[in-house]
Amino acid sequence: GEDVEQSLFLSVREGDSSVINCTYTDSSSTYLYWYKQEPGAGLQLLTYIFSNMDMKQDQRLTVLLNKKDKHLSLRIADTQTGDSAIYFCAEIPPRRSQGNLIFGKGTKLSVKP
Amino acid sequence: DAGVIQSPRHEVTEMGQEVTLRCKPISGHNSLFWYRQTMMRGLELLIYFNNNVPIDDSGMPEDRFSAKMPNASFSTLKIQPSEPRDSAVYFCASSWEGYGSRNTEAFFGQGTRLTVV
Repeated sequence: GEDVEQSLFLSVREGDSSVINCTYTDSSSTYLYWYKQEPGAGLQLLTYIFSNMDMKQDQRLTVLLNKKDKHLSLRIADTQTGDSAIYFCAEIPPRRSQGNLIFGKGTKLSVKP
Repeated sequence: DAGVIQSPRHEVTEMGQEVTLRCKPISGHNSLFWYRQTMMRGLELLIYFNNNVPIDDSGMPEDRFSAKMPNASFSTLKIQPSEPRDSAVYFCASSWEGYGSRNTEAFFGQGTRLTVV
């Protein structure tokens, strides 16, 4: 099937690291994405990774990609209360039209002070 | 640029009524997407336009749904007649996409929360 899988909830304490995991569907997907949705808002692209990379770091964000296992993770270092949001993993498999992202159902990150 | 602008932000309507959702994409973008978000199904692409032409409408649920893009700066999603199961948040997104490029950021609007009673 075409399901991008994510756990639905994650709760961490402020200052800790958060790790959000995702399993995607198509090992030939070229780009994989992480989007963030704050309450009442649309989705905002956080970062993406090209499939020939296994890691990408951007300030507090680290993306790890395991193509063999079709596993993607997003690590947020020094998590802040402002990071509380829903995080979506997404891919565009080659057989889909450009722009036709398959999203996971999202992981709701709660950051406790 | 003000980003992708959607209207209305909230819509409550009675079953059987026609509903029209509106979207103004970011100026210069050539691709526009309508997504629907529900708790049960998450985010689903309904339809995708490129250069005002519908490219992929395989996600449109049924004939009650229709979408148009009469020009590069405006799109509508219409539901007629509406049903309670259409209740969801509808997002419009736009991007600039070159041929063969999948590394494009889609910018999302704030969504229209539709409630059909």
